[in-house]
Amino acid sequence: DAGVIQSPRHEVTEMGQEVTLRCKPISGHNSLFWYRQTMMRGLELLIYFNNNVPIDDSGMPEDRFSAKMPNASFSTLKIQPSEPRDSAVYFCASSFGVGSEQYFGPGTRLTVT
Amino acid sequence: AQTVTQSQPEMSVQEAETVTLSCTYDTSESDYYLFWYKQPPSRQMILVIRQEAYKQQNATENRFSVNFQKAAKSFSLKISDSQLGDAAMYFCAFMEGHSGYALNFGKGTSLLVTP
Repeated sequence: DAGVIQSPRHEVTEMGQEVTLRCKPISGHNSLFWYRQTMMRGLELLIYFNNNVPIDDSGMPEDRFSAKMPNASFSTLKIQPSEPRDSAVYFCASSFGVGSEQYFGPGTRLTVT
Repeated sequence: AQTVTQSQPEMSVQEAETVTLSCTYDTSESDYYLFWYKQPPSRQMILVIRQEAYKQQNATENRFSVNFQKAAKSFSLKISDSQLGDAAMYFCAFMEGHSGYALNFGKGTSLLVTP
């Protein structure tokens, strides 16, 4: 298996622009997670899906952030409009079953200037 | 909400020696899962070890083992025969048993391995 796939690996954009991050989970996994990592706040859960349905989006910082999972093999995290404080590494992870380990993608490093 | 505390921002160990990374957590749950993840400079998050709270036996994966003290809410990671490739950030993480999905991470410990 190729593991969790994320694109792009790096994204540099200007403040006010729309940013879309993409994730393909491991085939057969039924849970998908979006995390954000910053020096100040560490690793934070933004949102997670179970069987393509959003279960908990309480970690999404504000309305500028939105996430979708139209099918079992694809998810997007969109920021519109982006701000410099959104600069971080965004990870996607997937798992199967309650209590099971999560497998992480390589992350997307987002820089908003 | 559960909190995970890693009290050692940085640790250092000599190659071939043993090092222990500390982690404590706060929860009122009796059913939960604990994890250690490794993040090398490549930034890839790699699972090191997983422990189920209802199991008294400490988990072991090759040179990595845990000391799980449920009453003390402590979950330390021991790395034996340290290798240069073990140098990384190590994150302790907690997962509730009921919902059993989201990970709550500590701030991490940076491990330096010296030759």
